[in-house]
Amino acid sequence: DQQVKQNSPSLSVQEGRISILNCDYTNSMFDYFLWYKKYPAEGPTFLISISSIKDKNEDGRFTVFLNKSAKHLSLHIVPSQPGDSAVYFCAAPQDFGNEKLTFGTGTRLTIIP
Amino acid sequence: DTGVSQDPRHKITKRGQNVTFRCDPISEHNRLYWYRQTLGQGPEFLTYFQNEAQLEKSRLLSDRFSAERPKGSFSTLEIQRTEQGDSAMYLCASSLPLAGAANEQFFGPGTRLTVL
Repeated sequence: DQQVKQNSPSLSVQEGRISILNCDYTNSMFDYFLWYKKYPAEGPTFLISISSIKDKNEDGRFTVFLNKSAKHLSLHIVPSQPGDSAVYFCAAPQDFGNEKLTFGTGTRLTIIP
Repeated sequence: DTGVSQDPRHKITKRGQNVTFRCDPISEHNRLYWYRQTLGQGPEFLTYFQNEAQLEKSRLLSDRFSAERPKGSFSTLEIQRTEQGDSAMYLCASSLPLAGAANEQFFGPGTRLTVL
């Protein structure tokens, strides 16, 4: 049962343009969501999060949008830079007080110079 | 650098052998997690500790797997009688949960296990 889904395994974007990575979830009990970034041979690195009481959270070039009615969130990166090339995972804690994370399958983002 | 460290980074073993991995979390973090990641998948939860207590184990963690965190600091993950299906990246993470804040887990670089 894949509770967090990333349906695009890969995405290529021109440098300077906007990158939009999508994530869908099935569990309406999820309280907040996190995005992680992973480079080859490294562990995932936390990028940005959003609580279910918000619909937007912004941190520099990164903005996450949450649409609870659609059970959908997206990560926007603008402007995209070559160093953003990585695999991006969305994740959610299983439920309140249970901090284990359920991850999507990831989207490999390639920024084209 | 006081991030999460894991040892070894790579392990190649023959089927049937036992292997043990070590994770050293960020020193003040009281929660420690083990995940497994296979090709094309996201990390999958295996187990987690709060201090020395193992609070939850995934059904992915068969009887051949055991994890310990004896003093609430470093942790070990042992796999007995390894099988080819155990080949994966084993990731360790730690956190210091703050009330009302996102559970930002800090991950180590992982141990890549290959079972021949």
